[in-house]
Amino acid sequence: AQSVSQHNHHVILSEAASLELGCNYSYGGTVNLFWYVQYPGQHLQLLLKYFSGDPLVKGIKGFEAEFIKSKFSFNLRKPSVQWSDTAEYFCAVNTGFQKLVFGTGTRLLVSP
Amino acid sequence: DGGITQSPKYLFRKEGQNVTLSCEQNLNHDAMYWYRQDPGQGLRLIYYSQIVNDFQKGDIAEGYSVSREKKESFPLTVTSAQKNPTAFYLCASSSGDRGYTFGSGTRLTVV
Repeated sequence: AQSVSQHNHHVILSEAASLELGCNYSYGGTVNLFWYVQYPGQHLQLLLKYFSGDPLVKGIKGFEAEFIKSKFSFNLRKPSVQWSDTAEYFCAVNTGFQKLVFGTGTRLLVSP
Repeated sequence: DGGITQSPKYLFRKEGQNVTLSCEQNLNHDAMYWYRQDPGQGLRLIYYSQIVNDFQKGDIAEGYSVSREKKESFPLTVTSAQKNPTAFYLCASSSGDRGYTFGSGTRLTVV
């Protein structure tokens, strides 16, 4: 069965620092990849997704992610974080009929 | 506005009781899902339904049941057989490759 690994469980950064959150998946076939964000007390929201084409995907709020097929990775990046980026971030993979498998999440705390 | 409505927001259950969590969507999505969220474990799939009157077990279906009698509705029952039901439950729907839309969740606590 496919799985998703997010190795950073908690990340603490100062404002303006750069962010990279790791995501690796285990599946040898075609995948769709997603990053979701959950701000405190809010719904899960889609940050960005990759289906095909350019492996560098840009999402909302200045986030981007790069799909590296050879490394089974889909890391999330942001060049300069803000206090409002404090949230929990989930990587997810879709390999079958729309059924998403989620990673365990990374809690990001940005200090002002 | 289209979206997913989960109710109630908070639910308390006594030991041995069954409780039902509501999930309604007006997005005309075919597929609906129930996930359970626990700290440090991410979201785990309980049940999903691709069409009306059909549903499939997810990774942690034991102690749960669902029905899909209408396209808009996908209620989840947490039965007394679920040994550790205290968690945050999220409902979602999807159509095609547009990704998921999530509800705001129900926090269930056993007292």
